[in-house]
Amino acid sequence: GESVGLHLPTLSVQEGDNSIINCAYSNSASDYFIWYKQESGKGPQFIIDIRSNMDKRQGQRVTVLLNKTVKHLSLQIAATQPGDSAVYFCAEEIMYSGGGADGLTFGKGTHLIIQP
Amino acid sequence: DADVTQTPRNRITKTGKRIMLECSQTKGHDRMYWYRQDPGLGLRLIYYSFDVKDINKGEISDGYSVSRQAQAKFSLSLESAIPNQTALYFCATSDYRPRTSGSLGPPTDTQYFGPGTRLTVL
Repeated sequence: GESVGLHLPTLSVQEGDNSIINCAYSNSASDYFIWYKQESGKGPQFIIDIRSNMDKRQGQRVTVLLNKTVKHLSLQIAATQPGDSAVYFCAEEIMYSGGGADGLTFGKGTHLIIQP
Repeated sequence: DADVTQTPRNRITKTGKRIMLECSQTKGHDRMYWYRQDPGLGLRLIYYSFDVKDINKGEISDGYSVSRQAQAKFSLSLESAIPNQTALYFCATSDYRPRTSGSLGPPTDTQYFGPGTRLTVL
């Protein structure tokens, strides 16, 4: 079946540098995407989301880019800090206008390591 | 997220035992979910509920059952636990937002997760 996947399982960056975490999805029907951050021993924490009618959305120090042509999603973290060390998951969902949904499909995750 | 709580946080049990994991939320959301997470893998959906009268199977519902006792409570049961059900289990709630007048995009359904329950089946 179709699934969401990530290009790299581990990403190591220097503190203060920008990080880019990538995600490929294969279900062209997906129209809602979310990035989650999971720290050790904790549940996934919502970071940012984007609808399929957008190609870019910015939050505080984070930017999500969506390229529907190549089914690619990325999360950019500016000026990474030690607290950004975590596993990052992308997730996709098909949303129905009547309120239904199939639930989130998660990628396997990328472990972001911040070097001092 | 402290608004979504799970009990117990850790549980060790034996094969064949019946186990119940509980989830409570104070966010006022109608939608609730149960996921499991295995090492090196993302989360997989077990069951979800859009309101107290609506229960749906997810990707991996075999061997599990759920009960939605109230808007704020959603429990997951393993009727006869087996070792390959050893995993980290997460409950989530979601804040469904329909498409608003003038909005071009699809509805959104942001999910918020509890702290997880680590279950070990021996």
